[in-house]
Amino acid sequence: SQKIEQNSEALNIQEGKTATLTCNYTNYSPAYLQWYRQDPGRGPVFLLLIRENEKEKRKERLKVTFDTTLKQSLFHITASQPADSATYLCAPGDSSASKIIFGSGTRLSIRP
Amino acid sequence: GAVVSQHPSWVICKSGTSVKIECRSLDFQATTMFWYRQFPKQSLMLMATSNEGSKATYEQGVEKDKFLINHASLTLSTLTVTSAHPEDSSFYICSVSQGPNQPQHFGDGTRLSIL
Repeated sequence: SQKIEQNSEALNIQEGKTATLTCNYTNYSPAYLQWYRQDPGRGPVFLLLIRENEKEKRKERLKVTFDTTLKQSLFHITASQPADSATYLCAPGDSSASKIIFGSGTRLSIRP
Repeated sequence: GAVVSQHPSWVICKSGTSVKIECRSLDFQATTMFWYRQFPKQSLMLMATSNEGSKATYEQGVEKDKFLINHASLTLSTLTVTSAHPEDSSFYICSVSQGPNQPQHFGDGTRLSIL
């Protein structure tokens, strides 16, 4: 069955450093992969979508890579700030359906 | 991005009560909406895909008679938790999408507590 793993349940980073989160998937060949941010008690908020034919995508301080050989996506936040503290979820999807399945999430804490 | 309104945001009720949660897409017509459940410190688990004008598609292990979904219009889907019990207490979240390869836009969730 499909499996989506995010490398660590929690990650603590010093403010100003780059945070790197990992998403690995098995028994799956997604056409695209999305990253979301979720704050406590709120619904997830969409951040970035990267397609299988794209190696890298950027948005402001965010960067996502997608390696279909390694079956892995990396999510980077550069110059991290305490306001970036949240849970980050990866969600691979395929082109034939709108539904997506979420990874377990990584809780990121940025300390001042 | 799309605006999704979910109501109510918080429900506390007695065991055996049925609870209805509404999900509205405010700025585009959604033929498909999704319902998720999230337990504390866990990720979102997809329960079902709500299809306008037809039956919902449930994920494996989700009881369709327990979680009734109605998607009668292009802007509204409802989830009814029938005869709710304490183990149904959870955070229920809906989302809408404009199609494959498109982001999903989420409501702010409904926290359901069954006493």
